Amino acid sequence: EAGVTQFPSHSVIEKGQTVTLRCDPISGHDNLYWYRRVMGKEIKFLLHFVKESKQDESGMPNNRFLAERTGGTYSTLKVQPAELEDSGVYFCASSQEPEINEQFFGPGTRLTVL
Amino acid sequence: GEDVEQSLFLSVREGDSSVINCTYTDSSSTYLYWYKQEPGAGLQLLTYIFSNMDMKQDQRLTVLLNKKDKHLSLRIADTQTGDSAIYFCAEDAGTYKYIFGTGTRLKVLA
Repeated sequence: EAGVTQFPSHSVIEKGQTVTLRCDPISGHDNLYWYRRVMGKEIKFLLHFVKESKQDESGMPNNRFLAERTGGTYSTLKVQPAELEDSGVYFCASSQEPEINEQFFGPGTRLTVL
Repeated sequence: GEDVEQSLFLSVREGDSSVINCTYTDSSSTYLYWYKQEPGAGLQLLTYIFSNMDMKQDQRLTVLLNKKDKHLSLRIADTQTGDSAIYFCAEDAGTYKYIFGTGTRLKVLA
C-alpha cells in the first residue's frame, strides 16, 4: 500500500511568488493534516480536513495560505504571495479514525523563499 | 497553553543506551507519541503510550510516562548507528491535531 506522498520534494521560489504544494493521502483516509516545521523549531499544526471539509484551521498563519481538498482525496496548500518567513518543511499526514489516531506522515516539501 | 519541550541534541556511543526526554503541558492528552525522522524521509511512528499507562516496552524501545510531572521519555537500548535521526515527541492535546516538540537530534558514534 502506498504511503502519503507529497509533491514537490523541494521548491525554491522568490519572495512574492506563488507556490502550490500537493499531498496525496493514503487511500481511504478521511483525515488529512498539514503541518510545518520552520528551521530548528517544532512541527506546528496548520489545519485538518475531514474528507473535503476543513475541521480545524486554527494553525494557518495568515490569509496568504489557502488549503483545499476538493473531492476529499488529495489536498493542495497554496502560498500566495510567499514571504521569507514561509520557508520551512511542510508535512502532510493522513489517518483513519482508529482509537489511537495514528497519523501517517509524508516525506515533506522543503520550501525555500529567497 | 500547549507546549512540548525537548533537548535539541544527544550524542551516544554505539551499544550504549539513549534516553530522550520530553515535557508537555496539556494534561488532557489521550495519547503521547514518539516519531522518528531519518534524513530525507518523513516522520515514522515509533511507538505511543496511552495516558493512563506508566510504561510501555517494545523490543529495544521503552517509553516512560510520569503524568504528575508531565514528563515522557524514550529509551533506546543497545543504540545502533541506524538509530541516528531526529526524534519528536507529540501529544494529541485531546484533539486530532498533534502538538510536537522541537525534536532531539540523536547522533550515534561508532
